[in-house]
Parts: sequence; C-alpha cells; structure tokens
Amino acid sequence: DAGITQSPRHKVTETGTPVTLRCHQTENHRYMYWYRQDPGHGLRLIHYSYGVKDTDKGEVSDGYSVSRSKTEDFLLTLESATSSQTSVYFCATNRVYNSPLHFGNGTRLTVT
Amino acid sequence: GESVGLHLPTLSVQEGDNSIINCAYSNSASDYFIWYKQESGKGPQFIIDIRSNMDKRQGQRVTVLLNKTVKHLSLQIAATQPGDSAVYFCAENISEGAQKLVFGQGTRLTINP
Repeated sequence: DAGITQSPRHKVTETGTPVTLRCHQTENHRYMYWYRQDPGHGLRLIHYSYGVKDTDKGEVSDGYSVSRSKTEDFLLTLESATSSQTSVYFCATNRVYNSPLHFGNGTRLTVT
Repeated sequence: GESVGLHLPTLSVQEGDNSIINCAYSNSASDYFIWYKQESGKGPQFIIDIRSNMDKRQGQRVTVLLNKTVKHLSLQIAATQPGDSAVYFCAENISEGAQKLVFGQGTRLTINP
C-alpha cells in the first residue's frame, strides 16, 4: 500500500547492538511515521517526519532516533538495543494532514 | 494519558449478519478518526475515516458513526463475510498541527460459517 517497503522483514539481534530499520516509499508522501505494535498496547507512535530533515518525537521515543535525508526514506535506529524493544515495527506515510495513514507490512525485531 | 479504548476485545458473528465494533475516545478535541483492519502478518489497512464535523459516513458495506456527545465511535459492517475476519482498530488524531494518531487496543472479529 502506498508503495511502502520495510527492510528487513525479520531481524534477531543481541542486547547492546545497534540496529537500523529502513522504510522506503515510492508515493512522494510528505509525512512518514514509525510505530511499534505490542500485545496489550496496540500501535504506539515512536517518531514521525513532516519533511526532509524535519522530525519529531512520538509517544514512545526513548531509545530510538530517526533520520530522513530524502523524501522516500525514513530510518529508525536503536542505538543500543534492549529486550524491551522486541516488537513489530510499522512504517506509515500520508500525503496531507488528517488523511489516512498507509502502512507497510512491518519488521519483526527480536532482541535476545 | 488520553487514549482510545474498545468495549469488546473479541466479537463473533454469523456469516451474513451485521457486525458492530465499538470504540470510546477520551479527547473531546480530537478532530479526525479512522478505522483500520489488520490481518495476521500484515500492516493495518485503512477502512474508513470521519472528521469531527460529521456524525456518519458510509463506504462499501461499512458505516462509521461518531457521537461526540458521549465520545463514541462505531464501525458497522454489513453482511459480514469470512474475509472480514481480522483485528479492527480505531484511532483518533489528538494533536493539532501534527497528525499523531492514538490507536485503541483492537477488537478481533471472528466470522462463524
């Protein structure tokens, strides 16, 4: 949907290692978002971007950073992964404010 | 904090019947609401949205109702089909100037043959 590709689709990493997840979109949408999904918590916003090099924090941003150097790419970095960051991560995009978000198919991250 | 919640975590209906999934929200200033469907192993899929200046909106087999007086949102699915089996989420935009969607916990809809 909206030409969103997340990579990798699955990753297992060890506690303390850095991890970068990539979101690539082909629709030239202005806004991009990173969410995590956990049982009992639903989807929670980590960070979002409202343009190239313009980002802001969401609800659960601690331990995460993001970068957006091009319209089509939005990177999520875990500087030092912890077991509490084991989750499914979703990228989403939309073109204008107050319009539906289109989601990718997620990255399942396991931190051991 | 303010959040969107759901009245029922699971819902089972007979194929062909109508389904109603309910959602309560707590932020009276929220101006935009969305319903998503999520199938196993996939990302949420947009179903229908509604803005706060409306109280009803219809799509193909789906209707969303918004009651701002009691801060309640519902999704009605007509003539439920096996392919409707999924988890359904409501979400509200709680922030002006930036779209920060807050999602509910989700309701699992199961269709009985």
